[in-house]
Amino acid sequence: GAVVSQHPSRVICKSGTSVKIECRSLDFQATTMFWYRQFPKQSLMLMATSNEGSKATYEQGVEKDKFLINHASLTLSTLTVTSAHPEDSSFYICSAPDRGAAEAFFGQGTRLTVV
Amino acid sequence: QQQVKQSPQSLIVQKGGISIINCAYENTAFDYFPWYQQFPGKGPALLIAIRPDVSEKKEGRFTISFNKSAKQFSLHIMDSQPGDSATYFCAASYSGNTPLVFGKGTRLSVIA
Repeated sequence: GAVVSQHPSRVICKSGTSVKIECRSLDFQATTMFWYRQFPKQSLMLMATSNEGSKATYEQGVEKDKFLINHASLTLSTLTVTSAHPEDSSFYICSAPDRGAAEAFFGQGTRLTVV
Repeated sequence: QQQVKQSPQSLIVQKGGISIINCAYENTAFDYFPWYQQFPGKGPALLIAIRPDVSEKKEGRFTISFNKSAKQFSLHIMDSQPGDSATYFCAASYSGNTPLVFGKGTRLSVIA
């Protein structure tokens, strides 16, 4: 199946700093990338949808100025957590459907810990 | 509003037994129903998926049963093994570039 590479796999940052998470589609063009957040022992919750070349669409309750999403190319989407706080500590996962196919391919996830 | 309801929350099964996880959905426009397996610290991995025009799909030890009229689908894991111990999520989506809606997950423990 298609591969979505996400990194870093884990990051620890100080409160108030920014962290960038990258997701790359390795063998297909991802016109759309979904970003999810998963708190411990909970399900995946959609944060935002990014489309190549256009502004991301954020789910209700997700601060667009805090979670900056860039999808500048068909193979790369980034999520930047700005001015991170301990409550932003979570597991962030990207996912891309393969050109209109319903099947979604997930990245390996990024464990963010803000101290 | 929870569009996909999953049960049970946790499940303990003896090695060699059958694990059964159930999901129910509300939106009849959903037309793709996958199951994902997730190990701690890892992203979800697609196990098996089904579309509404089929009532059952089997891949190895994993079977999806789908009941369109009841808006329910379930995952059966035959001959469960300790290596199957993980969290399982059902999901649903529409065709095309739409995000998945996930159930809350089932933590499966297979004990020897």
